[in-house]
Amino acid sequence: AQTVTQSQPEMSVQEAETVTLSCTYDTSESNYYLFWYKQPPSRQMILVIRQEAYKQQNATENRFSVNFQKAAKSFSLKISDSQLGDTAMYFCAFMKGYSGGGADGLTFGKGTHLIIQP
Amino acid sequence: KAGVTQTPRYLIKTRGQQVTLSCSPISGHRSVSWYQQTPGQGLQFLFEYFSETQRNKGNFPGRFSGRQFSNSRSEMNVSTLELGDSALYLCASSSWTGEYGGYTFGSGTRLTVV
Repeated sequence: AQTVTQSQPEMSVQEAETVTLSCTYDTSESNYYLFWYKQPPSRQMILVIRQEAYKQQNATENRFSVNFQKAAKSFSLKISDSQLGDTAMYFCAFMKGYSGGGADGLTFGKGTHLIIQP
Repeated sequence: KAGVTQTPRYLIKTRGQQVTLSCSPISGHRSVSWYQQTPGQGLQFLFEYFSETQRNKGNFPGRFSGRQFSNSRSEMNVSTLELGDSALYLCASSSWTGEYGGYTFGSGTRLTVV
C-alpha cells in the first residue's frame, strides 16, 4: 500500500512571495504518477500539476513547479508570485501506473491549508 | 465540454436509511472513481470503475457499493447509514488515451446523516 505525507498542516505567506509545500510518499511501485490538487472553499478539486515517475524533468505549469526527488520519494510544490486566489487546501496525491486501461484510484495526503495574505 | 456532474449537491438522511449518489463523467471518459472526504480521515478512496467493471475498492464496509453504466455514468450507494457516513463524496473521471491526463473532479455531494 502507498502512503502520502504532507507535514505542513497550514502555511501563510504574503502576496507575491514564493512558497513551497512539502510532500513525501512511500511506495514499492516503479511506475506511478504524482499530482498536486487544489481545493478552494468552493470544494471543487482542481488539478494543479502532475508528474510521471519515469520522467526526470520536473513538471512546470506557469507559476507552479515541482521538485521531484525520486530516490528520496519527495515531491514538493513551489508556487511563485503567489496570488490571493491561490488560497486553498493543497493535496498531494499518488497513483500507481495503469495497465490495460483504468486505474486504481488516488492516494491523498492530509493536505496543507495555504493562506495568501494581502 | 461539460465537467463532471454530481447530483444531488446536498443531502440529509436519517440514520438507518439508504442513499444513492450519482456521477456523470466528462464525455468520453470511461474511468470513474469515488472518494469520501471528512475532516478527520481526509480524502479516502472508495472505488474505481472502468468500462462498467470495478477495478479496485478501498477499505470501506460492504454497506458502500457502486456501479457504472454503459454510458459511463456511475452511482454509489450507501445502505444502513451511520452518523459517521456524513461527508463530502467526490467523484472523478479520467480518460486513458496513452498519455494520462489526470482525474477531473466534480463538485461533490455533501451528505449529512442525522
